[in-house]
Amino acid sequence: EIVLTQSPGTLSLSPGDRATLSCRASQSVRDNYLAWYQQKPGQAPRLLIYGASIRATGIPDRFSGSGSGTDFTLIISRLEPEDFAVYYCQQYGTSPRMYTFGQGAKLEIK
Amino acid sequence: EVQLVESGGGFVQPGGSLRLSCEASGLTFSNYWMSWLRQVPGKGLEWVANIKQDGSEKYYLDSVKGRFTISRDNAKNSLHLQMTSLRVEDTAVYYCATDIRVFDSWGQGALVTVSS
Repeated sequence: EIVLTQSPGTLSLSPGDRATLSCRASQSVRDNYLAWYQQKPGQAPRLLIYGASIRATGIPDRFSGSGSGTDFTLIISRLEPEDFAVYYCQQYGTSPRMYTFGQGAKLEIK
Repeated sequence: EVQLVESGGGFVQPGGSLRLSCEASGLTFSNYWMSWLRQVPGKGLEWVANIKQDGSEKYYLDSVKGRFTISRDNAKNSLHLQMTSLRVEDTAVYYCATDIRVFDSWGQGALVTVSS
């Protein structure tokens, strides 16, 4: 099983700041099959990024993903008030078709 | 617009059973793998089980294997999760989601509480 570790656990920033969230895998993620989700209180998660760097439909371009192998990053270039939420990474590169998530990272207003 | 609506959540004692359902609309349900995921309130996400379009492949989280059964009815655009021998640690909000290896459409979730 691939274990995903996200850091930092909590990030305190202000609107307009740049946010950098990290996701490290315990072993290499095949074909960069790594996704990012955003979750706000009381809501289901929303898919942001898949394939490590491909934005999902309707996701603003201030969200970008990068990385390969075991180290992946989600960057939010200029934080909007609605971006303060919890973010999860997910790997989907293993066979059979089973998945794991990181523990989550909270982005809070400073 | 894709809509997934879970139902069947509730309160059950340890060792009990519960059946969750997910009604799908706005998509060709039979074209999609489907998954159940869960989230302990205030905690992280955990994938639970998934099922292939025709039901011929199913996979489970180790901790639910032998206790939970995923099924689907493509004629009724519905997904189910039969949960037996429930444990306190199964308490969570359960989501159904379309599974394209990532989860691009989610339901609103159904709360399952296992407590004595």
